[in-house]
Amino acid sequence: AQSVTQLGSHVSVSEGALVLLRCNYSSSVPPYLFWYVQYPNQGLQLLLKYTSAATLVKGINGFEAEFKKSETSFHLTKPSAHMSDAAEYFCAVRGTGANSKLTFGKGITLSVRP
Amino acid sequence: EPEVTQTPSHQVTQMGQEVILRCVPISNHLYFYWYRQILGQKVEFLVSFYNNEISEKSEIFDDQFSVERPDGSNFTLKIRSTKLEDSAMYFCASSEDRAGYNEQFFGPGTRLTVL
Repeated sequence: AQSVTQLGSHVSVSEGALVLLRCNYSSSVPPYLFWYVQYPNQGLQLLLKYTSAATLVKGINGFEAEFKKSETSFHLTKPSAHMSDAAEYFCAVRGTGANSKLTFGKGITLSVRP
Repeated sequence: EPEVTQTPSHQVTQMGQEVILRCVPISNHLYFYWYRQILGQKVEFLVSFYNNEISEKSEIFDDQFSVERPDGSNFTLKIRSTKLEDSAMYFCASSEDRAGYNEQFFGPGTRLTVL
């Protein structure tokens, strides 16, 4: 079984500041990990994914995430926040077996202050 | 760029009524999914569908729910007799195959409100 924990429901940063959104996972098999973003009134859009090729994964819009097995973490970062980054961010895990469903965290709302 | 579409964007219904939520997956995708998100809660898996049959379903997906691919393009979720607790955002997703590393592409969602 897999699960994802995203601590906190809301993160607020100033424009230009570092964005750090935390995600910890639990998985009985080697996981695939995903970050999705949801802008208001839109669907879930893939930001990046970890598929065991490289532990540091770069995604769209300047985001990246690092897979740390020892910490069971997959935190999302961006060096400099932009107003357009304001959205809800979901971390999700998927097993490598036949089970293809995504298991999501509860999401974090990112606000960016001018 | 190909995208998953869903209709309607918002559905309001009375408790006990049947609703059908519609999705058009990306055309060359073979695996289809429904998820839902109750307000303030996690996005939860409901069901996956491949080759005209259910591949996997969660405990939420009880006898009140059914899925169908009535033609070559649509994928529907039916709730036979809606309950208040069915109020949620329902997301459809599709992927090329079921390999874990493949992205699931999500639609914009249908907000279902049961009164």
